Amino acid sequence: DSGVTQTPKHLITATGQRVTLRCSPRSGDLSVYWYQQSLDQGLQFLIQYYNGEERAKGNILERFSAQQFPDLHSELNLSSLELGDSALYFCASSHNLYRGLPLVYEQYFGPGTRLTVT
Amino acid sequence: EDQVTQSPEALRLQEGESSSLNCSYTVSGLRGLFWYRQDPGKGPEFLFTLYSAGEEKEKERLKATLTKKESFLHITAPKPEDSATYLCAVQAGYSSNTGKLIFGQGTTLQVKP
Repeated sequence: DSGVTQTPKHLITATGQRVTLRCSPRSGDLSVYWYQQSLDQGLQFLIQYYNGEERAKGNILERFSAQQFPDLHSELNLSSLELGDSALYFCASSHNLYRGLPLVYEQYFGPGTRLTVT
Repeated sequence: EDQVTQSPEALRLQEGESSSLNCSYTVSGLRGLFWYRQDPGKGPEFLFTLYSAGEEKEKERLKATLTKKESFLHITAPKPEDSATYLCAVQAGYSSNTGKLIFGQGTTLQVKP
């Protein structure tokens, strides 16, 4: 058990709908990351939040958005869903491994949310 | 462009038959290289972090090594419970303060009894 929790475990919805995925990081971790895993693309970085602020963005679609709340939990919102959005969505969290520069973030992943768009 | 390539894509071993998985990377300014294990439908499980060429880390039957161009995950006398997909990932950009991981496609290991 990594200590990262995600809800729901499974989500089945129709095209055009909107869903929200939730993540709670490990105790003490300030960074939260979202990744998408599909069969053809592998694990792809979507976005990182650090202590409530957006820190980095990957190839995240404009239909997707995320936020991190004061209690450090995060939500990933997916709207106008398409069949191709069906995938596993993982949240990860990290603290800094400060060994001087450069900064290294060792990430621990949650169990994921399996999204099926029909 | 930063890139991570893992080989082979799939590996079948007999129980006790040692082998190695390869992870080649092309990045500008490696900050860290990570190995994860992933079981079907589950989240990646953290195994190792390697920071610099020449570094080695061990955990039970697994040993990870790092050179300037690649990393190896050596599996000694594997057991059926070692069957999983092993993922390699890098964090790049020496002066970056982001934690973005770039993943390889993974090696799916099957160990037969």
